[in-house]
Amino acid sequence: AQSVTQLDSQVPVFEEAPVELRCNYSSSVSVYLFWYVQYPNQGLQLLLKYLSGSTLVKGINGFEAEFNKSQTSFHLRKPSVHISDTAEYFCAVSTTSGTYKYIFGTGTRLKVLA
Amino acid sequence: DAGVIQSPRHEVTEMGQEVTLRCKPISGHDYLFWYRQTMMRGLELLIYFNNNVPIDDSGMPEDRFSAKMPNASFSTLKIQPSEPRDSAVYFCASSPSMGPQHFGDGTRLSIL
Repeated sequence: AQSVTQLDSQVPVFEEAPVELRCNYSSSVSVYLFWYVQYPNQGLQLLLKYLSGSTLVKGINGFEAEFNKSQTSFHLRKPSVHISDTAEYFCAVSTTSGTYKYIFGTGTRLKVLA
Repeated sequence: DAGVIQSPRHEVTEMGQEVTLRCKPISGHDYLFWYRQTMMRGLELLIYFNNNVPIDDSGMPEDRFSAKMPNASFSTLKIQPSEPRDSAVYFCASSPSMGPQHFGDGTRLSIL
């Protein structure tokens, strides 16, 4: 079975500062990895995905993530955040075969301060 | 390209009433998922379909919950009878084979 851990429930950061949101996963088989963002009163929107290939993945809104197999991590980064990045961020994992179920982390609330 | 469409966006009803949530997936997507989101339990997968066939309903909390997908462009999640603890935001998502899931904006359900 797979699991996802997002250790930080909340991350406050000042505008224009860099940010890293942490995600660690556990799986005995190969995985796909995803980051989603949820703005208030909206559904989840895909930020980026890792399926295979380059371990550095670039997504929308200037976000990127790096897949580290040895550390079973998929941390999300942005070099300079904006007020509009304030939202909840979810990491998710699925296996590369069989089901298409996602296992979601508990989310990290990013609050960008002026 | 239209996204996943859910209706209603908000539903307030009294305990014991039947509740029906609706979802129109993105055209061409083979998979449809129903999730529930609460503060206490986070995002939970309730059930998912592949080509209109239920594949895994192990997340459905009780027999009061049922889901159907009569065709490729429509799915319902029904709660009968509803209870206050069913209050949550319910999301529908769809995906193509091997593709990422796309979420609707959700239905905020309040059971009084």
